[in-house]
Amino acid sequence: DADVTQTPRNRITKTGKRIMLECSQTKGHDRMYWYRQDPGLGLRLIYYSFDVKDINKGEISDGYSVSRQAQAKFSLSLESAIPNQTALYFCATSDPNRDYTFGSGTRLTVV
Amino acid sequence: QKEVEQDPGPLSVPEGAIVSLNCTYSNSAFQYFMWYRQYSRKGPELLMYTYSSGNKEDGRFTAQVDKSSKYISLFIRDSQPSDSATYLCAMSAAGGYQKVTFGTGTKLQVIP
Repeated sequence: DADVTQTPRNRITKTGKRIMLECSQTKGHDRMYWYRQDPGLGLRLIYYSFDVKDINKGEISDGYSVSRQAQAKFSLSLESAIPNQTALYFCATSDPNRDYTFGSGTRLTVV
Repeated sequence: QKEVEQDPGPLSVPEGAIVSLNCTYSNSAFQYFMWYRQYSRKGPELLMYTYSSGNKEDGRFTAQVDKSSKYISLFIRDSQPSDSATYLCAMSAAGGYQKVTFGTGTKLQVIP
């Protein structure tokens, strides 16, 4: 099994719909992250969490929310999806030495 | 100006060539420098990790950091078709939690 598992792998949704992306990890790390990747813009941090009670906004948190259900689980929600949220989304976990492990990504299309 | 600049490529080389990938940065506080490799339809995976200045070698890969010029490089010797991927540089300041800033990635194709 992968160290970081993201579901779904692909999703097409309509504008205005609520959608949740899920992430689980088996590395045992406390730190978890959500990024989006867009061509020419690279990886941008949406939210990060250092433990179940610690949630922090990243560079581009508007329009997104997160929930840390357990040390191993971190989900990202789009409350009302819009087309410019079409992107590749990555969940990651890291140790304190900045060694990141990424999931395989969720390709989200908002039509 | 972006904190981290990376030429997006694509870079196309013949098998066996030496590849040089580079990033420049503007934040003098950066102390940790990483290179990630990302295959198509996959997440980035850590390839090399360097703290502060100097060189680090791992098999066919060498990472160099020149803090005076704010310039980092990744060299790949004897490149293979399996090296075809996008390479992202990443960097971070020291001390506690510091955000990791990623470059936009350089797409490399090694032609057999």
